[in-house]
Amino acid sequence: EDKVVQSPLSLVVHEGDTVTLNCSYEVTNFRSLLWYKQEKKAPTFLFMLTSSGIEKKSGRLSSILDKKELFSILNITATQTGDSAVYLCAAMGTNAGKSTFGDGTTLTVKP
Amino acid sequence: NAGVTQTPKFQVLKTGQSMTLQCAQDMNHEYMSWYRQDPGMGLRLIHYSVGAGITDQGEVPNGYNVSRSTTEDFPLRLLSAAPSQTSVYFCASSYRLAGVRGTGELFFGEGSRLTVL
Repeated sequence: EDKVVQSPLSLVVHEGDTVTLNCSYEVTNFRSLLWYKQEKKAPTFLFMLTSSGIEKKSGRLSSILDKKELFSILNITATQTGDSAVYLCAAMGTNAGKSTFGDGTTLTVKP
Repeated sequence: NAGVTQTPKFQVLKTGQSMTLQCAQDMNHEYMSWYRQDPGMGLRLIHYSVGAGITDQGEVPNGYNVSRSTTEDFPLRLLSAAPSQTSVYFCASSYRLAGVRGTGELFFGEGSRLTVL
């Protein structure tokens, strides 16, 4: 059975701090690891990683995948209150419609 | 483009009632799926479809039925609602092949909050 585990489950930081969110996975015929941000409503896409060791960056957010150790991390530097959200990690096999999600990390950034 | 449209946004049912959650996408995506999200948890896959006429079960299919008669529509039917089905339901769609016509990410509807009394 495919499985994705995220840690920590929740995190409270102050503005300006740097955070690291973790995601480990066990997925048959693994193809991609995706990160989503969920605020009040539906998740929105952040990154997709398919190759080991290649960092994806978007502004203050970055992510990297380790296919040998089966994990990914999402880093957020210089956090802002607008970064407060649930961050979801999903692993995708060859069937793109069948993503397996972790339980998410709830990040709270205090002013 | 409307993207993924789900209706209704809110629904209250009594135990034993049936209903259909509607989902439509206008991006010509091959894949469509239904997830449920319970408090403090991630998304769990209910059913998914890789194209019109093809559906398959996800992690938590019991009590739900789907069909995919067109590329655009993927309704989710609750056959006999139970309190355990109280949840937020998300419909999502994506391209079939990651990296060919997109990155493979899921595009989500805004969610349907269902309460079963």
